[in-house]
Amino acid sequence: AQKVTQAQTEISVVEKEDVTLDCVYETRDTTYYLFWYKQPPSGELVFLIRRNSFDEQNEISGRYSWNFQKSTSSFNFTITASQVVDSAVYFCALSEARASGTYKYIFGTGTRLKVLA
Amino acid sequence: ETGVTQTPRHLVMGMTNKKSLKCEQHLGHNAMYWYKQSAKKPLELMFVYSLEERVENNSVPSRFSPECPNSSHLFLHLHTLQPEDSALYLCASSPGLAGDTLPDTQYFGPGTRLTVL
Repeated sequence: AQKVTQAQTEISVVEKEDVTLDCVYETRDTTYYLFWYKQPPSGELVFLIRRNSFDEQNEISGRYSWNFQKSTSSFNFTITASQVVDSAVYFCALSEARASGTYKYIFGTGTRLKVLA
Repeated sequence: ETGVTQTPRHLVMGMTNKKSLKCEQHLGHNAMYWYKQSAKKPLELMFVYSLEERVENNSVPSRFSPECPNSSHLFLHLHTLQPEDSALYLCASSPGLAGDTLPDTQYFGPGTRLTVL
């Protein structure tokens, strides 16, 4: 069955430290997509990145970088030089094809990141 | 307004009340979703609508009744709820249509924090 595991429930770092959020997934699909979302205290989930299963290139966007390792079924997220504004809950998600022709997201339980000044 | 909006942001109701949650998307998307987010649990997909047609209903109790009058609006009608239904209810929209070959990215609203007394 499809599953997303975010083993880190909560992480606290001091500002300017680097931090990596782990995501491990399980799927039988050969084609799938992985996502990261950020949920600040205001509540809405903010889309950060989508990556398909055929593209294992790492991606960097400013202070954010993602490491996709298909061999270990992991899609980890690193924040470099963390800032207080990075404090939020971060969710990893896996898309699953449905019989209806739509796609369903399987979300992890989230990692709460606290960046201390 | 832009993006996905939800009203009300907070709702407290008794078990015998009837209330409705409203979601509106200003992105021109074709699909809309209701999710339930409870503490320490993954996001649970409740309903999916594609072009105002319900394409997915994930074994949600009948005390939750969705309505999608057009592709921009989605409602969740609530009646005779239980205290365990207290949660953050998130609405999302995405560009795609049922049968699309690619899972498209979902964009979320800020949620309605529901408390059932």
